[in-house]
Amino acid sequence: GALVYQYPRRTICKSGTSMRMECQAVGFQATSVAWYRQSPQKTFELIALSTVNSAIKYEQNFTQEKFPISHPNLSFSSMTVLNAYLEDRGLYLCGASVGQGQDTQYFGPGTRLLVL
Amino acid sequence: GDSVTQTEGLVTLTEGLPVMLNCTYQTIYSNPFLFWYVQHLNESPRLLLKSFTDNKRTEHQGFHATLHKSSSSFHLQKSSAQLSDSALYYCALSGDTNAYKVIFGKGTHLHVLP
Repeated sequence: GALVYQYPRRTICKSGTSMRMECQAVGFQATSVAWYRQSPQKTFELIALSTVNSAIKYEQNFTQEKFPISHPNLSFSSMTVLNAYLEDRGLYLCGASVGQGQDTQYFGPGTRLLVL
Repeated sequence: GDSVTQTEGLVTLTEGLPVMLNCTYQTIYSNPFLFWYVQHLNESPRLLLKSFTDNKRTEHQGFHATLHKSSSSFHLQKSSAQLSDSALYYCALSGDTNAYKVIFGKGTHLHVLP
């Protein structure tokens, strides 16, 4: 079956430092990978969408300078939170899709980021 | 832009009673996919249902939903709530066939009491 792993599951960083998180798709080729953030008491905000053979598209309020993403192949993606501050805390989810068009996104368990 | 509205932030009911969680959406696309995801405490969201076909009932694990394009709705229902159904439920929309982009509603917390 389709599985998505994320690493680390939980991390703590000091304010102003950076944190890199990884997403691995197993059992399928992730044509696209979306990164979301679920801040405390909020829904999932799409940060950016990375699709094979297309440029990474960032949503409003999120930038490449703050959340650089790498998607080197169809099974792996990483995102870094640069210069993290309190408002960056939350659960970061990776959603990977297979196939074309409007396909189901399979979510990883998330990386929970705490900022001190 | 696309949006998903879930009017109830919290639904509390007694075990055995029927469940209905509301979801309406707005999209410029004529053939959207609608999803229901369930998220239990400290877990990631898991797909519960999805639908693409107008007026067709979709069922899974006792839950069902029917996409009604005429009213832009995709309400989640279950005939009899169980304690284990307590969780956060997110209605979500994917409208752009080329973007793989999923828009989530704010979520409804279902709390089932014994």
